[in-house]
Amino acid sequence: AQKVTQAQTEISVVEKEDVTLDCVYETRDTTYYLFWYKQPPSGELVFLIRRNSFDEQNEISGRYSWNFQKSTSSFNFTITASQVVDSAVYFCALGSGGSYIPTFGRGTSLIVHP
Amino acid sequence: DGGITQSPKYLFRKEGQNVTLSCEQNLNHDAMYWYRQDPGQGLRLIYYSQIVNDFQKGDIAEGYSVSREKKESFPLTVTSAQKNPTAFYLCASSMSQGVARPSPLHFGNGTRLTVT
Repeated sequence: AQKVTQAQTEISVVEKEDVTLDCVYETRDTTYYLFWYKQPPSGELVFLIRRNSFDEQNEISGRYSWNFQKSTSSFNFTITASQVVDSAVYFCALGSGGSYIPTFGRGTSLIVHP
Repeated sequence: DGGITQSPKYLFRKEGQNVTLSCEQNLNHDAMYWYRQDPGQGLRLIYYSQIVNDFQKGDIAEGYSVSREKKESFPLTVTSAQKNPTAFYLCASSMSQGVARPSPLHFGNGTRLTVT
């Protein structure tokens, strides 16, 4: 069985603050993939990043960065210098078990105030 | 532009009626999915299909049915047997999963179904 836990239901910050969204996963598979998606108010989920279980290198893309730590089964997402347009619900997802059909966490709602 | 189209955006039905949600994609993707989103519940998988004329139940398939007669289309029927049908329904597609590197999902804009 696979499981994704996003313990933060809602985070509220002021523009330009840094914010980290937590994601903890559970799987018995040694090969798996982790994803982050963004859901703006329009409703459509947008893919942000994919990471496989053999690649623990952190990744940076502009103001976004991801910290993957197998030792703690975590795949955290940091937004540096947050902006109002970052306001959305962010989902972490795990694909494993051969079919890799993703299991999603409950999402974290990020509100960035001007 | 390639993408996924879900229609309608809002749907209202009376309890006891079946209702079908449309999902069409022109991305030439083999796999398609239906997820249900409820406040505080995240996304839960209803059904998925990895190839035409084949589909599998997800975690919460009871009260739902699907068909996959064409690669581009994956309609979802919410039957009267579904106890709590009011929710936001998201359709997605991807290249085939279970290969060397699973591809990310592309999502539609969703259909908000309200049953009273």
